[in-house]
Amino acid sequence: EVQLVQSGAEVKKPGESLKISCKGSGYSFTSYWIGWVRQMPGKGLEWMGIIYPGDSDTRYSPSFQGQVTISADKSITTAYLQWSSLKASDTAMYYCARHAERWLQSPFDYWGQGTLVTVSS
Amino acid sequence: DIQMTQSPSSLSASVGDRVTITCRASQSISSYLNWYQQEPGKAPKLLIYAASSLQSGVPSRFSGSGSGTDFTLTISSLQPEDFATYYCQQSYGTPHTFGPGTKVHIK
Repeated sequence: EVQLVQSGAEVKKPGESLKISCKGSGYSFTSYWIGWVRQMPGKGLEWMGIIYPGDSDTRYSPSFQGQVTISADKSITTAYLQWSSLKASDTAMYYCARHAERWLQSPFDYWGQGTLVTVSS
Repeated sequence: DIQMTQSPSSLSASVGDRVTITCRASQSISSYLNWYQQEPGKAPKLLIYAASSLQSGVPSRFSGSGSGTDFTLTISSLQPEDFATYYCQQSYGTPHTFGPGTKVHIK
């Protein structure tokens, strides 16, 4: 059974760093793109970027390029989303999701449960 | 970036109603259009991919159509569990942008 299990909720202060995780299981982790999606409180879904764990090929939305870093550790089948300096506007739910096929144009078929990040002084 | 729009932004409907949601892309995306359902407090769920292919396990009352720039999601007979927010997403080119969503309310 394919599963994506995300790390728990975080409460941080502005300026702090953070790395959240998404552990994949039940499939060949290195063979499918994994993406990150932001959902701000009461708002819609925003595609942030994706990574191919097999070779760490990473694509970012221009809206998020330079604001976050996406990475993966294939030895522990885990993808990451990290910030070096959080802002209050980073407060949101963050989802990881897997592409359905090995090709980039496939949809997201499996989703993690979400990680709520709250940034407040 | 490819921009996605949806209409309506919200709608009220009754159980048993036929519901249609439209999605438009700012340029041709062939059939690389996906539909997701999100219930409150839950992760999104894939309903339709490649414009008209039903994801495994999704009830047949959901259907999708369209190609190029104009797409529709139809729920043939609305059920109580269908009251949720629906998003389209293009996967033609990165970033794989989502539409703003359509919230389906109970009338």
